[in-house]
Amino acid sequence: EDQVTQSPEALRLQEGESSSLNCSYTVSGLRGLFWYRQDPGKGPEFLFTLYSAGEEKEKERLKATLTKKESFLHITAPKPEDSATYLCAVRAASGTYKYIFGTGTRLKVLA
Amino acid sequence: EAGVAQSPRYKIIEKRQSVAFWCNPISGHATLYWYQQILGQGPKLLIQFQNNGVVDDSQLPKDRFSAERLKGVDSTLKIQPAKLEDSAVYLCASSGRGGSYNEQFFGPGTRLTVL
Repeated sequence: EDQVTQSPEALRLQEGESSSLNCSYTVSGLRGLFWYRQDPGKGPEFLFTLYSAGEEKEKERLKATLTKKESFLHITAPKPEDSATYLCAVRAASGTYKYIFGTGTRLKVLA
Repeated sequence: EAGVAQSPRYKIIEKRQSVAFWCNPISGHATLYWYQQILGQGPKLLIQFQNNGVVDDSQLPKDRFSAERLKGVDSTLKIQPAKLEDSAVYLCASSGRGGSYNEQFFGPGTRLTVL
C-alpha cells in the first residue's frame, strides 16, 4: 500500500536554529515527491517537486533533498515567518497516479 | 495570474442538511481535485477530474457526496445529507500542462462545521 509518513509531528525551534523535517514514503513507482507549506486557515502553497534520488531544490532558507526512501526539508537559520505546517505528498505510478499526503510537520520558530 | 477560487469560505449546518461548495480553477488548468482535510491530518483526495471527466473517485463516499465539473471549468461538490464526521476543510486544487503539470495549486478552502 502506498504510504507517506512525516516526522516529527511538531517542532519548535529558536530563530536561527537549523533543523530538518523528514518524509518517508512507500510507493509502487514514484512519479514525484512534493513539499507544500500550509499556513493556518489557508490552502497548501507549493514549494518543491523532486523526481529522482539525489535531486535537490532550494528556495531561500529551504532545501529539499530526495533518496529512494525518504525526503528531507532542511531549514537553515529559520525565522518566525517560517512557522507553518509543512506537508509532503507523493504521486504514485499505481492506479490513477493520485497524490498521497502525509499528516504534516507543524513548525514553530520562536523569536 | 488569478489563483484557485473557492466559495463559501465557511459554512455551518445541522446534520442531515445539504451543502454545496464551488471551485473555479486557474484558467487553462485541465485537472481539478477536491480534497478533504480533517483537523490535524493531511489532505485526502475525494475526486479528480480531467477536463470534465472523472479520473479517480475511489475515496468519495458516493452515498452522500457528489461532484460535477460542467464544461471542464468550474466544479461543485455536494454533501447530502451531512454527517458530523464531515466537519473538515474542503480544498480544491488544479494543475496544468507543461512544467506545472504535476504541481497542484490550492484554493483557500471551505471550512465546514456540521452540528
